[in-house]
Amino acid sequence: EAQVTQNPRYLITVTGKKLTVTCSQNMNHEYMSWYRQDPGLGLRQIYYSMNVEVTDKGDVPEGYKVSRKEKRNFPLILESPSPNQTSLYFCASSTRDSSYGYTFGSGTRLTVV
Amino acid sequence: GEDVEQSLFLSVREGDSSVINCTYTDSSSTYLYWYKQEPGAGLQLLTYIFSNMDMKQDQRLTVLLNKKDKHLSLRIADTQTGDSAIYFCAESYTGNQFYFGTGTSLTVIP
Repeated sequence: EAQVTQNPRYLITVTGKKLTVTCSQNMNHEYMSWYRQDPGLGLRQIYYSMNVEVTDKGDVPEGYKVSRKEKRNFPLILESPSPNQTSLYFCASSTRDSSYGYTFGSGTRLTVV
Repeated sequence: GEDVEQSLFLSVREGDSSVINCTYTDSSSTYLYWYKQEPGAGLQLLTYIFSNMDMKQDQRLTVLLNKKDKHLSLRIADTQTGDSAIYFCAESYTGNQFYFGTGTSLTVIP
């Protein structure tokens, strides 16, 4: 089944403890992206990647890192999480020309206390 | 990013039609999309329209695009309780930059 898989689905952590949210897609998509969803703000893009070893900042990159060492994986790293990073995170992927839109993962609900 | 605006809430009675509206600012948008998010789930692509089209129909869904006014709408005919969800409008141009609206929460009253 074609899908984007994120892990974990739920995570509660403490301020300053490094964490990684994994994302993997099995559709051979070139393009991958991370979004955060907050009430009343819709989806805001954190980082995106056009292909292996090519990443760029989205609208809200502060406090996040990403890497794209393989085509299928695009982990999101929070080196020192803070409470304002409590949010619902989505990974998504698409073909290069985006004509069929994104395929989204099921989301990761992160709480930083 | 570009501005994509939607109203936050919409309530309709079961069996009525729902119309969800969206305005966008980027006149170079190539594709416009509607996504559905059910509680606790990711976003699912419902339908999309190319910017050179005015209308697209897909079963109970009708998408209307007014390029002059930069207005996109999604009409759901015979709305059912299973249609209750958040609906996101999104735009993109080639280059994979997607811009999403804030989402419209549709409540269907039985």
